[in-house]
Amino acid sequence: GNSVTQMEGPVTLSEEAFLTINCTYTATGYPSLFWYVQYPGEGLQLLLKATKADDKGSNKGFEATYRKETTSFHLEKGSVQVSDSAVYFCALRGSSSSASKIIFGSGTRLSIRP
Amino acid sequence: EAGVAQSPRYKIIEKRQSVAFWCNPISGHATLYWYQQILGQGPKLLIQFQNNGVVDDSQLPKDRFSAERLKGVDSTLKIQPAKLEDSAVYLCASSLEGPAEQFFGPGTRLTVL
Repeated sequence: GNSVTQMEGPVTLSEEAFLTINCTYTATGYPSLFWYVQYPGEGLQLLLKATKADDKGSNKGFEATYRKETTSFHLEKGSVQVSDSAVYFCALRGSSSSASKIIFGSGTRLSIRP
Repeated sequence: EAGVAQSPRYKIIEKRQSVAFWCNPISGHATLYWYQQILGQGPKLLIQFQNNGVVDDSQLPKDRFSAERLKGVDSTLKIQPAKLEDSAVYLCASSLEGPAEQFFGPGTRLTVL
């Protein structure tokens, strides 16, 4: 079945550092891929998405590129801020009608030091 | 625009007791989801409603969990009786249609002692 694997946390970085959070997936066909973010005390929010191979999703300085050849959707940001401290979830939605629910990874906690 | 509302935010019960959670989705959203998020894991879909009909409840433990969405708006999720392993955050989400753009509530943190 469909699944998502993302790098374990916690990840601790200094402000202005470069961020990469790895995510790989297993799915048949052409799933849609997502990154969600959960700030402390808040619900999950959609951060960015990509719906086909080679698409790049971007939002708030974060980017992720849908790589079909490596089945990956790594999250990157060039210069992180303290306000980026949160838990980040990689997720996918299958391409068939029978696999349309969203499957989430286990989450990566990111802490940014001032 | 008001977001997805959930109550209570926190609940502590003893095993074998019953508990109910309430969700009010964003106005006009036809699709409503309940997720279970165990500590250290990603959310897992328990049940999906389209209006007041169930679309997917394949991962709902039906021997103890039940959910309803009367009138296609608010929804309640019930656990009866609760087990220790039910300790988790229960998230409600809604979308206009389909699962792609879901909006999540703040969740209800359940602790079963």
